[in-house]
Amino acid sequence: GENVEQHPSTLSVQEGDSAVIKCTYSDSASNYFPWYKQELGKGPQLIIDIRSNVGEKKDQRIAVTLNKTAKHFSLHITETQPEDSAVYFCAARWDGGATNKLIFGTGTLLAVQP
Amino acid sequence: IAGITQAPTSQILAAGRRMTLRCTQDMRHNAMYWYRQDLGLGLRLIHYSNTAGTTGKGEVPDGYSVSRANTDDFPLTLASAVPSQTSVYFCASSVDRQNYGYTFGSGTRLTVV
Repeated sequence: GENVEQHPSTLSVQEGDSAVIKCTYSDSASNYFPWYKQELGKGPQLIIDIRSNVGEKKDQRIAVTLNKTAKHFSLHITETQPEDSAVYFCAARWDGGATNKLIFGTGTLLAVQP
Repeated sequence: IAGITQAPTSQILAAGRRMTLRCTQDMRHNAMYWYRQDLGLGLRLIHYSNTAGTTGKGEVPDGYSVSRANTDDFPLTLASAVPSQTSVYFCASSVDRQNYGYTFGSGTRLTVV
């Protein structure tokens, strides 16, 4: 079945530095790749997404890149700020015909040190 | 404020007891989902509903049941709770099964003792 691997599990950076989180997926038919940010005590919130017909998407300080051939996608956060500290989840959309679902990675705890 | 409301926010439950986690959305989304979140395992799909009146099984459905009597409500029931069901449960919704953006609730932290 579909599987999404996410690395690293924890990431600590200095304020102002960049952070990169990487994910790989197993099903080449996956066509949608969102990233969610989860703050302590809250539900995941969509921050950026990319579809399989696009190689890169950017929104201010965050960007996502997709390599369909290698089946991996990455989240890039530039000029990190303390409020970027959270758990980040990648996901891949799996379409099984009668059903479809998001398969999530195991999460990355990002700590931005002031 | 439009969104998803989950109740209760937390619960301690004795093993063997029955429990229903409530989920209500006011966005008129057709598709709804239940995930559990466990440390090191990420979010795993328990059950889903593409539209009112239909439900389906996700990755980890055993021990759980759902119903979808109307568009807004999607309760999750544990018929006889076991300690392995200790987790944080999140309800989510999307406009429909083809619309990819999910909105999540704030979660229910359940401890089964």
